[in-house]
Amino acid sequence: EIVMTQSPATLSVSPGERATLSCRASQSVSINLAWYQQKPGQAPRLLIYGASTRATGIPARFSGSGSGTDFTLTISSLQSEDFAVYYCQQYNNWPYTFGQGTKLEIK
Amino acid sequence: EVQMVQSGGGLVQPGGSLRLSCAGSGFTFTSSWMSWVRQAPGKGLEWVANIKQDGSEKFYVDSVKGRFTVSRDNAKNSLYLQMNSLRAEDTAVYYCIASIIGVFDSWGQGTLVTVSS
Repeated sequence: EIVMTQSPATLSVSPGERATLSCRASQSVSINLAWYQQKPGQAPRLLIYGASTRATGIPARFSGSGSGTDFTLTISSLQSEDFAVYYCQQYNNWPYTFGQGTKLEIK
Repeated sequence: EVQMVQSGGGLVQPGGSLRLSCAGSGFTFTSSWMSWVRQAPGKGLEWVANIKQDGSEKFYVDSVKGRFTVSRDNAKNSLYLQMNSLRAEDTAVYYCIASIIGVFDSWGQGTLVTVSS
């Protein structure tokens, strides 16, 4: 099983600033990496797939990068609605596995 | 608009059974892998099971093998999860998911399953 490790566990950032979230896989997953956003009481929402492709309707301030084992989600200018928990997920090998999440909170 | 509407869930005693349902609309159900993912209270996401478009292939996380069964009825655009021999550690919100573009792209609203005496 591929282990996905996200860092940091909690990130405190001020609105308008940039946020950078990291995700590392225990072995290569090529670019088969997705990012999800989850707000309290809601289902997760797909943000990024293929490591860098934004899902339908996702604002351009969200961008993903990386390949192999190291990946990054960047939110260029934080809006109030962006404060949430973010999960990465690899879909290169079964079982598909998620990271433990990064909570993005208002500084 | 893509929609996944879930039903089922609730409180069940350890060792009991429960069946979750999920009805899809707004997309070609027969073209999509379907999955279940769960989230224990205050915890992260865990993939549980998935099923191929025609139901010919099914995969499960080790912790539910032999206890849970995923199935689908393409004529009804519906996905199911039969859960038997439930344990306290199965307590979670269960999400059904359609993989329309190949990833977990469309999620249901979630349904809470609580296993407790």
